Amino acid sequence: GAVVSQHPSRVICKSGTSVKIECRSLDFQATTMFWYRQFPKKSLMLMATSNEGSKATYEQGVEKDKFLINHASLTLSTLTVTSAHPEDSSFYICSASEGTDVWGLNQPQHFGDGTRLSIL
Amino acid sequence: DAKTTQPPSMDCAEGRAANLPCNHSTISGNEYVYWYRQIHSQGPQYIIHGLKNNETNEMASLIITEDRKSSTLILPHATLRDTAVYYCIVRVWRTGANNLFFGTGTRLTVIP
Repeated sequence: GAVVSQHPSRVICKSGTSVKIECRSLDFQATTMFWYRQFPKKSLMLMATSNEGSKATYEQGVEKDKFLINHASLTLSTLTVTSAHPEDSSFYICSASEGTDVWGLNQPQHFGDGTRLSIL
Repeated sequence: DAKTTQPPSMDCAEGRAANLPCNHSTISGNEYVYWYRQIHSQGPQYIIHGLKNNETNEMASLIITEDRKSSTLILPHATLRDTAVYYCIVRVWRTGANNLFFGTGTRLTVIP
């Protein structure tokens, strides 16, 4: 089945550091990838939609200068948390789907195992 | 966007069938119902999806009512490893992408 790999699985760093998280589709090509954020005991919140070769689409309230998304190839999207602060500590999860039908509604999204980011 | 309503928690005895309900009364004709589950500290795992017909795979069965306003996920023989949060999601097409919007889900606890 379709596998999405996310790296790193855990990051602990100092306040002010920028952190890059990678999301790869291992056995399929994904023109669209998605980035989510999850706080403890809460549901997943969609942050942005990452499109290969174009700018990402951010959800309302998500700072695009804070969360930089790059989707440079059909198998890789990256999320960079710039100048991270303790309030950015969270569980970040990416997903991707094989876009074989035009609308993509009949194609499951497959999720990575997430990255737990802790800012000290 | 179509919203879903799920009970916050359910228990199920090990070996018994787990029936997880979901209401999606505002669903539109071309919107699919998806089910995912999330085990603590992992990414969500895809279970099954459907449009109007009942679906079955190696993990579960999905029963969708004729009016499509509700559905039930059935785990035929629940095991302890099925303990997780189960999300029922109506997938919509919006502004050039097909998004999944997660609700609060049902926390299923399988009891030995």
